[in-house]
Amino acid sequence: GQNIDQPTEMTATEGAIVQINCTYQTSGFNGLFWYQQHAGEAPTFLSYNVLDGLEEKGRFSSFLSRSKGYSYLLLKELQMKDSASYLCAPTNDYKLSFGAGTTVTVRA
Amino acid sequence: GAGVSQSPSNKVTEKGKDVELRCDPISGHTALYWYRQSLGQGLEFLIYFQGNSAPDKSGLPSDRFSAERTGGSVSTLTIQRTQQEDSAVYLCASSNGRREQYFGPGTRLTVT
Repeated sequence: GQNIDQPTEMTATEGAIVQINCTYQTSGFNGLFWYQQHAGEAPTFLSYNVLDGLEEKGRFSSFLSRSKGYSYLLLKELQMKDSASYLCAPTNDYKLSFGAGTTVTVRA
Repeated sequence: GAGVSQSPSNKVTEKGKDVELRCDPISGHTALYWYRQSLGQGLEFLIYFQGNSAPDKSGLPSDRFSAERTGGSVSTLTIQRTQQEDSAVYLCASSNGRREQYFGPGTRLTVT
């Protein structure tokens, strides 16, 4: 079965840093995706981690520890447009299992 | 190039009616996925097509749900005898093999 745990909501101030944690227990694991989903829109790809460690891409970074079943998404220099839901999705071969998502609200 | 497109964007139907939802994937993408997202919930995997291989239908919630992919491109998700619990946003995604998936805008289905 699949068990993916991430916080439901987080609030942060514009310009700040927020870290969204995700723990997972899945039957089979190849890598982990992070997606961003604005309200009423489709998810868009942010990052993909296969190996342990940190992947940095601009203001967004993602970390993976396969042995701990743990990942986090780090959002730096928060902007108002970063207010969205962030979905953690471990993958087994082609099949992604999505968490319920973390809604991040950025306040001025 | 063009992204994943889905039609209709919204569909309101009466309980018991059949509905067809369409997905046009990104040209050249070999893999196509259908997901369902209920309000405030995560994405629920429904079905996966890869090339000419037999589809993975393990996520379809009941035998009222079926999907086809014709010519390795366009896909149709059919829900027969719709129920109120089928109300959700149905999202289609495509990818080139096992790489990141690109999602369409979704079809919001409301069963009254």
